[in-house]
Amino acid sequence: DAGVTQSPTHLIKTRGQQVTLRCSPKSGHDTVSWYQQALGQGPQFIFQYYEEEERQRGNFPDRFSGHQFPNYSSELNVNALLLGDSALYLCASSLDRVQEKLFFGSGTQLSVL
Amino acid sequence: RKEVEQDPGPFNVPEGATVAFNCTYSNSASQSFFWYRQDCRKEPKLLMSVYSSGNEDGRFTAQLNRASQYISLLIRDSKLSDSATYLCAVNEGRGSTLGRLYFGRGTQLTVWP
Repeated sequence: DAGVTQSPTHLIKTRGQQVTLRCSPKSGHDTVSWYQQALGQGPQFIFQYYEEEERQRGNFPDRFSGHQFPNYSSELNVNALLLGDSALYLCASSLDRVQEKLFFGSGTQLSVL
Repeated sequence: RKEVEQDPGPFNVPEGATVAFNCTYSNSASQSFFWYRQDCRKEPKLLMSVYSSGNEDGRFTAQLNRASQYISLLIRDSKLSDSATYLCAVNEGRGSTLGRLYFGRGTQLTVWP
């Protein structure tokens, strides 16, 4: 039973570029949430996708956008990258949108130079 | 004011020691509480949920104090393998934020031989 998978594992971009991160949820899970974890900080909620729609959004600018596909996989897109976007991006899946037990992927480490 | 506050440590303890972490949360209506363990730049993994009656899992004991709005984690007989960052997480349980976790910044523990 595959857990949550994320790709790529590492990414280096320069300021102003755009990036797309991908996530496949744990088998049987239909809800995907994205978190940003800066060095020395706890994960911060970006948004949650359920039934292919953004259901909740944290305090992140519109440069952060996402998508969920019919197979429940998800993408996180960040436009006009800033140095401060450098972080570990974590995808978490759950059985449904009210399920509190989250399963995290191993994350994508994004470095913006 | 942050929703969840943790002492970042670091805590450096010898093997066999007992160590306790505390975490405070700001929303008195919060519904669910968790402790996660995170190894260096890897994904957070659920250690245990925290219930009002307190709960124990082997050497780990979690407590919730709703009146004072804090949760605690006690680790007895520390092992070298307990070295990690411990994150507390809170779910407010409201309609608009169901399934969304607020994390503390984590407390770093190092157990030395």
